[in-house]
Amino acid sequence: SQQGEEDPQALSIQEGENATMNCSYKTSINNLQWYRQNSGRGLVHLILIRSNEREKHSGRLRVTLDTSKKSSSLLITASRAADTASYFCATPMNRDDKIIFGKGTRLHILP
Amino acid sequence: EADIYQTPRYLVIGTGKKITLECSQTMGHDKMYWYQQDPGMELHLIHYSYGVNSTEKGDLSSESTVSRIRTEHFPLTLESARPSHTSQYLCASSVNRELSEAFFGQGTRLTVV
Repeated sequence: SQQGEEDPQALSIQEGENATMNCSYKTSINNLQWYRQNSGRGLVHLILIRSNEREKHSGRLRVTLDTSKKSSSLLITASRAADTASYFCATPMNRDDKIIFGKGTRLHILP
Repeated sequence: EADIYQTPRYLVIGTGKKITLECSQTMGHDKMYWYQQDPGMELHLIHYSYGVNSTEKGDLSSESTVSRIRTEHFPLTLESARPSHTSQYLCASSVNRELSEAFFGQGTRLTVV
């Protein structure tokens, strides 16, 4: 079964607006990762947040993690057309564990 | 850009044929993965490997098999392809340590007719 689940499943916003996606997971983790996938191609790693971190920034990306609620959010600020993609969270549970992905959020940036 | 390669990129094949999807990485990663992704976009882990001669089934049952004879190579084989195997297959690799990210190939889109 999937460990993480993204919400919403799909999101359409105007270019320049901020996009927020959420990820909920079921069991304890030591880190959570976000990936992007363009047009059914391979996934690209965006950002990793450790279980003892609450917030992390990378360029226009902001990730938060709430381990008490078992949830994370990905915020993309000042969205651009090139941000149109699917976004997945992944939750490896420990060093030896496999990387399991959620169902993803399809983000569409409208011109 | 990640040094992980999948071939072929697209494959259309008849029912009953045996096929092998290739995946190679030049990063020396111990861990390698195969995911299956249908048009509804959910990724399912079907096989993974921690290193040479180590392979395990993933969370989604699959009729495919894998081998890991060399660190850099993780091929996936279907002995007898069926239309239900039509899907996108994504290969990935990662370093075997905490906080490691996965690097993905571009995928193989398989259609069985």
